[in-house]
Amino acid sequence: GQNIDQPTEMTATEGAIVQINCTYQTSGFNGLFWYQQHAGEAPTFLSYNVLDGLEEKGRFSSFLSRSKGYSYLLLKELQMKDSASYLCAVRDGNYQLIWGAGTKLIIKP
Amino acid sequence: ETGVTQTPRHLVMGMTNKKSLKCEQHLGHNAMYWYKQSAKKPLELMFVYNFKEQTENNSVPSRFSPECPNSSHLFLHLHTLQPEDSALYLCASSQDPGTGPNEQFFGPGTRLTVL
Repeated sequence: GQNIDQPTEMTATEGAIVQINCTYQTSGFNGLFWYQQHAGEAPTFLSYNVLDGLEEKGRFSSFLSRSKGYSYLLLKELQMKDSASYLCAVRDGNYQLIWGAGTKLIIKP
Repeated sequence: ETGVTQTPRHLVMGMTNKKSLKCEQHLGHNAMYWYKQSAKKPLELMFVYNFKEQTENNSVPSRFSPECPNSSHLFLHLHTLQPEDSALYLCASSQDPGTGPNEQFFGPGTRLTVL
């Protein structure tokens, strides 16, 4: 079966750096997405990786290793507004998105 | 209106009621999706429409019935639901999912409670 694993919850301090990991086993691979979802709101797109390596976008970076079935989302200079759930999703061989359960990130002052 | 809109935002219904959820996208996309989101569970894809044609039905019970009259509108008709159907129902849209990132844009969701 297809599976996406990510930690349920993480806690970090304002101003620090946090890395949220995602491992996947899917039938085929056509890209990996990270979304942010604040409580009670819609998920919003953060990043897309289809080739190995690091994609940087401001304070957020996303890394992919296809051979290891592994990705991480790196958040730098954490702000209180970064408190949210972060969803990892993989587009499989049929171009359908397989979603992880999300990582709830709690930022403390 | 911009982006993806959903109505109603909240819905409480009894198990014998019939109701409909509405989704509209103003992004010119050709694919639309219904998802179910339950607490601490992955998003569950329910239905996919591409150019108004249903391309995916992930073993969803028949008490959920989708309708896509055109590329901008998507409905989810509900009847004789069960309490376990209580969840957040999210609509999303994207360009052709087969090429490029073509990320999905989500609406704010309908919080459904079945009594």
